[in-house]
Amino acid sequence: ETGVTQSPTHLIKTRGQQVTLRCSSQSGHNTVSWYQQALGQGPQFIFQYYREEENGRGNFPPRFSGLQFPNYSSELNVNALELDDSALYLCASSAYSQETQYFGPGTRLLVL
Amino acid sequence: AQSVAQPEDQVNVAEGNPLTVKCTYSVSGNPYLFWYVQYPNRGLQFLLKYITGDNLVKGSYGFEAEFNKSQTSFHLKKPSALVSDSALYFCAVRDTENYGQNFVFGPGTRLSVLP
Repeated sequence: ETGVTQSPTHLIKTRGQQVTLRCSSQSGHNTVSWYQQALGQGPQFIFQYYREEENGRGNFPPRFSGLQFPNYSSELNVNALELDDSALYLCASSAYSQETQYFGPGTRLLVL
Repeated sequence: AQSVAQPEDQVNVAEGNPLTVKCTYSVSGNPYLFWYVQYPNRGLQFLLKYITGDNLVKGSYGFEAEFNKSQTSFHLKKPSALVSDSALYFCAVRDTENYGQNFVFGPGTRLSVLP
């Protein structure tokens, strides 16, 4: 059974640029959630995708957007990057009928 | 709105002693409660969960947690701590009345187990 994978592991961007982060869900999981974890804080929910549709969104502006593909992998896109977007971005997958989310190792984004 | 509090930023315990990491929550409906652990530069690893049933839940690596509905608490415990348990621990809650599977995480508690 393959776990959740994320790419890239690290990324450096400058303010105003755009970034795309990728996530492959665990085998058998059809739901992907994205979280932002700032340094020294707990993860904050960005949004969730279920069967290619957004299925819930946290308190993040529209410049945070996502996609889910037919194979249940997912992308997180962030436009017009700001310095405060620097964080660890975590992807988690789950089977919709279950409650447990399994996390990938994260992508660390630094915005300069 | 649901919320989670972890009242201790840091917990220090000697190896071999019992450990407790505290968590309290607030939800509108019934809670689904989780504990995750995070090692440096890693994602979150699932430890255990409470959905329904027995208030004492057993999980991975010898950890257990006790659900207390009257105190709205879900404290993580282990009878005998190991140095390798040193990590950042997160409590999370999902409100059964909010079925968007939105997990709310606490701020985390750093556990240090001293040899």
